[in-house]
Amino acid sequence: EADIYQTPRYLVIGTGKKITLECSQTMGHDKMYWYQQDPGMELHLIHYSYGVNSTEKGDLSSESTVSRIRTEHFPLTLESARPSHTSQYLCASSDGWQGGDYGYTFGSGTRLTVV
Amino acid sequence: KNQVEQSPQSLIILEGKNCTLQCNYTVSPFSNLRWYKQDTGRGPVSLTIMTFSENTKSNGRYTATLDADTKQSSLHITASQLSDSASYICVVSDRGSTLGRLYFGRGTQLTVWP
Repeated sequence: EADIYQTPRYLVIGTGKKITLECSQTMGHDKMYWYQQDPGMELHLIHYSYGVNSTEKGDLSSESTVSRIRTEHFPLTLESARPSHTSQYLCASSDGWQGGDYGYTFGSGTRLTVV
Repeated sequence: KNQVEQSPQSLIILEGKNCTLQCNYTVSPFSNLRWYKQDTGRGPVSLTIMTFSENTKSNGRYTATLDADTKQSSLHITASQLSDSASYICVVSDRGSTLGRLYFGRGTQLTVWP
């Protein structure tokens, strides 16, 4: 049973629109992450958070921004969507560092299509 | 450069057959290796996680092995079922920084035919 929820599951939106992808977890995890995944390709880390009011950029440059006002909530925002933003966005959380032997849970993802 | 390479890229097997997926990595210093199953359009779901000292770990019909000396891992699936059709992703983490880092393979796309 998923304890990390992403909405919407699918989104088709026009170029230039502002969008927010939602991610919430009920496990009380401090660490949360956003990944971008294109078909047949590996996941790329675009943002992460150590805890409330902490956000960092990941390995892959992204025009998106994130916020962490509450432990359970880690939304991702695109101010002006472009076709190059079309991808699957996966949110994850963990009860420890990525490199640790900790539980690491992914949401079901949001498939974004910008037309 | 830390990398995770998986083979084969795709695999088709008949229901009931066994298969083995391979993962080679160059990540150092090594922390742990995870295998995930990702159904189409869904997020990855953890199958196993192994640390340096573990050689094998099972989860039902899934058995993962790890050879930390040769930096190789395999995922063996026995008595395959149609529901095993998915992408299987090998993920290696390091201890090289405070954050630690996850390195993802591109996955092996497994299709099980009836």
